[in-house]
Amino acid sequence: EAAVTQSPRNKVTVTGGNVTLSCRQTNSHNYMYWYRQDTGHGLRLIHYSYGAGNLQIGDVPDGYKATRTTQEDFFLLLELASPSQTSLYFCASSDVSAEQFFGPGTRLTVL
Amino acid sequence: AQKVTQTQTSISVMEKTTVTMDCVYETQDSSYFLFWYKQTASGEIVFLIRQDSYKKENATVGHYSLNFQKPKSSIGLIITATQIEDSAVYFCAMRESNSAGNKLTFGIGTRVLVRP
Repeated sequence: EAAVTQSPRNKVTVTGGNVTLSCRQTNSHNYMYWYRQDTGHGLRLIHYSYGAGNLQIGDVPDGYKATRTTQEDFFLLLELASPSQTSLYFCASSDVSAEQFFGPGTRLTVL
Repeated sequence: AQKVTQTQTSISVMEKTTVTMDCVYETQDSSYFLFWYKQTASGEIVFLIRQDSYKKENATVGHYSLNFQKPKSSIGLIITATQIEDSAVYFCAMRESNSAGNKLTFGIGTRVLVRP
């Protein structure tokens, strides 16, 4: 059974739309992360969290909010989506000093 | 600031041969951790192998091994006896020991095609 799940797997919205991407992990990890993946850039960190209620800014946070409601659940919010946010989004979790484990990804298209 | 560079965009090899891909990194930290991940055609990202900077012995897991050259800030991935299913994009990543939140910095990846 997959330990990191994401929903939806695909999403199409329009410019200015409101989008929420969901991530759940059953690894009992404290750390969770949101990345975006674009051709030529690899994986870039948007936001991450140490635990429920905690939020830290990553390397490319502009236009994104995030919320960690429980140890298991981490959400990425795009309140005014723009075409530049069309991307493949990955969630990951990890324990301290350990490798990260990734979800299956969400493909977001902003028209 | 830490940086990870993979200069090989793509590599093509015949099945059952060995493929080697390069990764160089920059860090000011004396202690750090290096990782390799594989992204399959379906998009799935899978952790393969890690090397801790304080360890002199190269890590090996199954048919994956690392060539860690600390003086050159280099961590190459070697895949022996390649199989068709090894066709994927391989990412190198680094975490400094003092990195808040266990943050990773990734390279842009090397695409490997294993031909029958």
